[in-house]
Amino acid sequence: EDQVTQSPEALRLQEGESSSLNCSYTVSGLRGLFWYRQDPGKGPEFLFTLYSAGEEKEKERLKATLTKKESFLHITAPKPEDSATYLCAVQERGAQKLVFGQGTRLTINP
Amino acid sequence: DTEVTQTPKHLVMGMTNKKSLKCEQHMGHRAMYWYKQKAKKPPELMFVYSYEKLSINESVPSRFSPECPNSSLLNLHLHALQPEDSALYLCASSLFSGGDYGYTFGSGTRLTVV
Repeated sequence: EDQVTQSPEALRLQEGESSSLNCSYTVSGLRGLFWYRQDPGKGPEFLFTLYSAGEEKEKERLKATLTKKESFLHITAPKPEDSATYLCAVQERGAQKLVFGQGTRLTINP
Repeated sequence: DTEVTQTPKHLVMGMTNKKSLKCEQHMGHRAMYWYKQKAKKPPELMFVYSYEKLSINESVPSRFSPECPNSSLLNLHLHALQPEDSALYLCASSLFSGGDYGYTFGSGTRLTVV
């Protein structure tokens, strides 16, 4: 069975303090790994899709990387508006569903 | 149009009521999904429609009844719900059911069963 584990559960940073969020996964054949941002009471907002080990994608202060067992979401010089829950999800090859991790609640203090 | 629109945004219903949630997209996506999300938990898949046909039902109780009248519209009919069904119900779509090019989520309907 596909498993996705995110760490830490919660992270508090000062504005400008860079850090990384981790997503470890177990899947028999990876079709894609997805990163979403979710604000309270809202739907997940798509950030990145990664398909193969070694792949990297960037968007503003965020950079996602992928290995065969985990993905990292690096956040550089974060701002308070980056505060949100960040969700990682995997899709197994041939499957039609996403399996989500529990998320990391990120708080950026001014 | 690059959005998935869900209505209503909030819904309060009694355990004997019948109500429906609506989801609409005009991106030409051929796969649509219903997810349920409890507070501080990740979304959990309920149903998948591919080309307007139900392809996955994740053992959801029959008090939840999905319907896909056309390729742009997805409904979730609710009847005789329980208080534990209170949650954020999310609709999503993708170009095809394999999720290639990503999934787009709506903002959700916050459902409270009293």
